[in-house]
Amino acid sequence: DSGVTQTPKHLITATGQRVTLRCSPRSGDLSVYWYQQSLDQGLQFLIQYYNGEERAKGNILERFSAQQFPDLHSELNLSSLELGDSALYFCASSVQIGDTEAFFGQGTRLTVV
Amino acid sequence: DQQVKQNSPSLSVQEGRISILNCDYTNSMFDYFLWYKKYPAEGPTFLISISSIKDKNEDGRFTVFLNKSAKHLSLHIVPSQPGDSAVYFCAASSNTGNQFYFGTGTSLTVIP
Repeated sequence: DSGVTQTPKHLITATGQRVTLRCSPRSGDLSVYWYQQSLDQGLQFLIQYYNGEERAKGNILERFSAQQFPDLHSELNLSSLELGDSALYFCASSVQIGDTEAFFGQGTRLTVV
Repeated sequence: DQQVKQNSPSLSVQEGRISILNCDYTNSMFDYFLWYKKYPAEGPTFLISISSIKDKNEDGRFTVFLNKSAKHLSLHIVPSQPGDSAVYFCAASSNTGNQFYFGTGTSLTVIP
């Protein structure tokens, strides 16, 4: 158990819909990262927050947004969903930025039908 | 732009032998390197890391080697066990950056 909790574990939704994925980081970790893993692909970095502030953006679509709340949990919002958004979405957390390891949650498997 | 590359998508090794997984990177600003192990339908699990001030780090059966001049690192697993069968991701970061860059992974199969 990495200490990072992601909910829900599975999500099936229709095209055009909006979903919210939730992540609770490890206790004491200030940095949260979101990654997308499509079928047979590597981990694509989406966005990073540190202590409530957005710090870095990767290949995140405009239809996607995220935030980190004062209690440090984070949510990833995916809207106007398309079939191609079907993927595993991972959240990771770390104590600080850089020179440290990140710990991953179990992921949310999103299926868009 | 893939800044961290794992050029071998898969590797098969006999149980008890050495597994060597390779990783190359392009960004000379990277100063921290990590290996993660991933089983299907689970999140990546941190395995071992190395700072750029070192060229080797060992943890039990796992050793990571870093060659900064070649921008190359490798993970050695010895002896390999069937439970080591998983996808291994190499990752890199810098203390001035804000993300971990991951390779595309190498699927290791250890044959009993």
